[in-house]
Amino acid sequence: DAGVTQSPTHLIKTRGQQVTLRCSPISGHKSVSWYQQVLGQGPQFIFQYYEKEERGRGNFPDRFSARQFPNYSSELNVNALLLGDSALYLCASSPGLAGGPGELFFGEGSRLTVL
Amino acid sequence: GIQVEQSPPDLILQEGANSTLRCNFSDSVNNLQWFHQNPWGQLINLFYIPSGTKQNGRLSATTVATERYSLLYISSSQTTDSGVYFCAVEGGDQAGTALIFGKGTTLSVSS
Repeated sequence: DAGVTQSPTHLIKTRGQQVTLRCSPISGHKSVSWYQQVLGQGPQFIFQYYEKEERGRGNFPDRFSARQFPNYSSELNVNALLLGDSALYLCASSPGLAGGPGELFFGEGSRLTVL
Repeated sequence: GIQVEQSPPDLILQEGANSTLRCNFSDSVNNLQWFHQNPWGQLINLFYIPSGTKQNGRLSATTVATERYSLLYISSSQTTDSGVYFCAVEGGDQAGTALIFGKGTTLSVSS
């Protein structure tokens, strides 16, 4: 079975630009979460979506937005990129049986560099 | 919010040695997972263990929820065990939504 897939794997942007990251969850999983990991730190929660609705949001500015599609795939958008947005962006999926994250399974991540 | 502390921050071992990684958390949790992050950045699930003990090959984990800690044991370590080990919990005011990660333990195993 395919795991969580993310695209693109690497990308370089300049300050002020916008970026869209994509994620396909494990088949049958209805919950998708996004995490940001900067160098030397543990991942930090950005969003959780379950059944196409936002279920949780971390402490990130409004420049960060996301959505989940009817097939449960998801996009993370970041506008007006700052140098500090350079990070590994991780997508995770879970069965979401109870609406919470449950056991999370992560993709390989999208590594964003902002110049 | 809930705090997660991992120790030690760094660990250097010779191949074949055993090790214990610790995770302390500040509030009751509904979910606790251990991950291994490989050099390419992917987080690999090791254990989903909100309580009790589990074993998988050379690795085992124990969570004592009432005392708010979890331990990850690695026996007969191999060079492929190198990487960063994260403990992550769900609970507190983020219950039902987010995993809160510790800062990780960086393990280096040399041959």
